[in-house]
Formats: sequence, structure tokens, C-alpha cells
Amino acid sequence: SQELEQSPQSLIVQEGKNLTINCTSSKTLYGLYWYKQKYGEGLIFLMMLQKGGEEKSHEKITAKLDEKKQQSSLHITASQPSHAGIYLCGALAGDMRFGAGTRLTVKP
Amino acid sequence: DVKVTQSSRYLVKRTGEKVFLECVQDMDHENMFWYRQDPGLGLRLIYFSYDVKMKEKGDIPEGYSVSREKKERFSLILESASTNQTSMYLCASSLWGPGEVYNEQFFGPGTRLTVL
Repeated sequence: SQELEQSPQSLIVQEGKNLTINCTSSKTLYGLYWYKQKYGEGLIFLMMLQKGGEEKSHEKITAKLDEKKQQSSLHITASQPSHAGIYLCGALAGDMRFGAGTRLTVKP
Repeated sequence: DVKVTQSSRYLVKRTGEKVFLECVQDMDHENMFWYRQDPGLGLRLIYFSYDVKMKEKGDIPEGYSVSREKKERFSLILESASTNQTSMYLCASSLWGPGEVYNEQFFGPGTRLTVL
């Protein structure tokens, strides 16, 4: 089955700093999703990547899918307290599979 | 906007009780999913459904059952709750079939279940 590994498991950054979260798959990804979850709440869709080398941005969040379509990174520029939460990558392999998540804390 | 609602945000039950978690979506989606989320384990799929009265086991179906009598409603049932079922339960729905790439899932707010 599709296994997704996220790193790091948790991250604490100072407000204004840049950060990167990685998601690595054991198999080729045909659709890679990034979600954000505020503590104790449901998931909010951020973006989806499909093609090798694809890159998408939304406000200060940029996600990339590598050419081999086995790794994706999520980059946040000039982090803010509103970016805090759990970031999950998900992939389609018959049904949706998710990574364990990365807990981001942004210190003001 | 797609709206997925879950019957309770917080629930406390006792070991051995029968527990019903309800999920309703208002966008006529064919697919509905139940996940549980535990620290360090991420989201794990319990059951999903592609159509009314149709269900498929996910990764961890043991101890759970589901019911989908109407398209908009998908219920998760814990026949006899146990302490290891204490978790955050998330419901999701999507428009396309599981093999379609544009299978964005829309999530409910979650139900935090504690079994004492």
C-alpha cells in the first residue's frame, strides 16, 4: 500500500522565518494533496499537485512535486502565527492515504 | 461551499456502550469516508462508501461498522466501545470516484470521542 512519510514530525519556528515540510512516498504519486488542520478541528484543503515538477502557490505557501513524483515539499515564507497547525499530505492510491502530519508552532 | 457536518464535537462514552457517530454532507457527493486520527499515526481509514447501501473496509475496520441509508448521511457505529477507540473521528466526502485524480475530499470538523 502507499506509504507516506512526513518530516519533520513537529516544527517550532520564530514568526517571520521560512520553513519547509516534506512528504515522501514509497510509490509514484498520481495526485498529492496538502491539507491544514487547526488543532482539534477538521482538515482544510490547501492545494493539489499532479504533474512531475509542478509547483503551486497560495499566499505565502508554496508546494512542489518532484519530477519523479515521489516527493513533495511545502514551503512557508515569512511564517505567521496564523500558519500554526498540523499539515498533512495525502495521496490517492485507490483511496486516500495520509501522512502522519507535521505539527507547526509559530512563536510570535 | 461544501459543508460536511458531524453530529457531535465532543463525546464521552463508557466501555461497552454502543456509539453512533453521524456525518451529513450537503453537496450530493457519492463518496463518503470515516477516518480516525491518533497522535503519531496520522489519519487512518476505517470505512468508506461509494453509494447508498454500499460500504468498503478501509485499513482498520475492526470494532466498527457503518451505515449509509441515504446519500447525504454516513454513520459510524461502535458496537461495543472500548478504551482503545478513544480518538478523533473525521468524516469526509468527495464527488469523484476513488480512482479519479481530482478526488478532493472535504472534511467535517471532527468528533473527539473519549471512552472511559
